[in-house]
Amino acid sequence: GAVVSQHPSWVICKSGTSVKIECRSLDFQATTMFWYRQFPKQSLMLMATSNEGSKATYEQGVEKDKFLINHASLTLSTLTVTSAHPEDSSFYICSAQAGDQPQHFGDGTRLSIL
Amino acid sequence: GENVEQHPSTLSVQEGDSAVIKCTYSDSASNYFPWYKQELGKRPQLIIDIRSNVGEKKDQRIAVTLNKTAKHFSLHITETQPEDSAVYFCAATNQAGTALIFGKGTTLSVSS
Repeated sequence: GAVVSQHPSWVICKSGTSVKIECRSLDFQATTMFWYRQFPKQSLMLMATSNEGSKATYEQGVEKDKFLINHASLTLSTLTVTSAHPEDSSFYICSAQAGDQPQHFGDGTRLSIL
Repeated sequence: GENVEQHPSTLSVQEGDSAVIKCTYSDSASNYFPWYKQELGKRPQLIIDIRSNVGEKKDQRIAVTLNKTAKHFSLHITETQPEDSAVYFCAATNQAGTALIFGKGTTLSVSS
């Protein structure tokens, strides 16, 4: 149980385009979803916390207009990187949580902006 | 806000030896401390967690200890095996208790 699916796993696109990443909880209802960014050989940096039906809470230094988060249902959250540039290239990973249960992570999305 | 420090950053052991990874946290209100294992290019996987109302938890070869007074917690892996090689992250709940703040990770290498 507690499976989280993240799609796509890898995306390469041109500078200036927008990229949408989906995070789905497959077998449970996620009251909260989290989005992290991970640079090579570094830790997971929390970007934002998303509760179903409400606006995401962004961590300090994360541009909310750059990283749009939508959590429209208890099983789906999306992260859209708008007008992506090479410095946005990174590994983005989501996690989902039901109530106060442990967070379960998706497989991550490797984003490369040319 | 919450700050989590993790040591060591790298750890090399021989198969069969024990491995210990230590973390400290800054916010005394933190009440949940999970440990995740991440293999290269894969998702972090929860291996064990502990809540602030207990001091120790064990699951086969893995154990976690928590010292609330000193604000530190440790991961203990006994009888290490090559497949234990991975990056291990500790985490603690943030000030609001709504999210996890991760340590910088420990790369564990178990040689046979």
